[in-house]
Amino acid sequence: DTEVTQTPKHLVMGMTNKKSLKCEQHMGHRAMYWYKQKAKKPPELMFVYSYEKLSINESVPSRFSPECPNSSLLNLHLHALQPEDSALYLCASSQPTGGNTEAFFGQGTRLTVV
Amino acid sequence: SQQGEEDPQALSIQEGENATMNCSYKTSINNLQWYRQNSGRGLVHLILIRSNEREKHSGRLRVTLDTSKKSSSLLITASRAADTASYFCATEARGNYKLTFGKGTLLTVNP
Repeated sequence: DTEVTQTPKHLVMGMTNKKSLKCEQHMGHRAMYWYKQKAKKPPELMFVYSYEKLSINESVPSRFSPECPNSSLLNLHLHALQPEDSALYLCASSQPTGGNTEAFFGQGTRLTVV
Repeated sequence: SQQGEEDPQALSIQEGENATMNCSYKTSINNLQWYRQNSGRGLVHLILIRSNEREKHSGRLRVTLDTSKKSSSLLITASRAADTASYFCATEARGNYKLTFGKGTLLTVNP
């Protein structure tokens, strides 16, 4: 199984809502990532988890809250988002064995904040 | 800030022609990777070249890396309409697992 599964595929939420994005992989990867991608732009790194611990936070606003409950799951909790947060949110995983390994990406969650 | 800068930003060619995309970066890297993305969905890994390698092949893909110039190129030979996609280079920084993407090249292959 070389898949990273993201749910939901699409999400529309109001600015006062709380929602969560989910990501799952069963490749035994111990590094997991959240990226944000706006239209016609490259993916921008948000968070990196390594061995279930947050290792990188790219100065992301606190309205985005990541969680890694176990080695297979990664969540992104959303609260009080702004319309400019509308984007494609991509999850990825890789094997953190000294680097030099490819990242596997999910198909993304297309988020619209209204 | 984005590490890689792709060139050109957009490329339109005919089926059967070769497509070359370039990428430049700024800092020391463990490796450089190329990814493909169709219609704003997930990215698919194409090829990884380590910092101590100069050239790598995979099927119709050829990647070169020049660490002295901090640049890489991706060559797709005998292109097909199905190769139409956005192509991104991404660099893995030394010392962490941070993968930073360049701005991408939108490749259109006309049948």
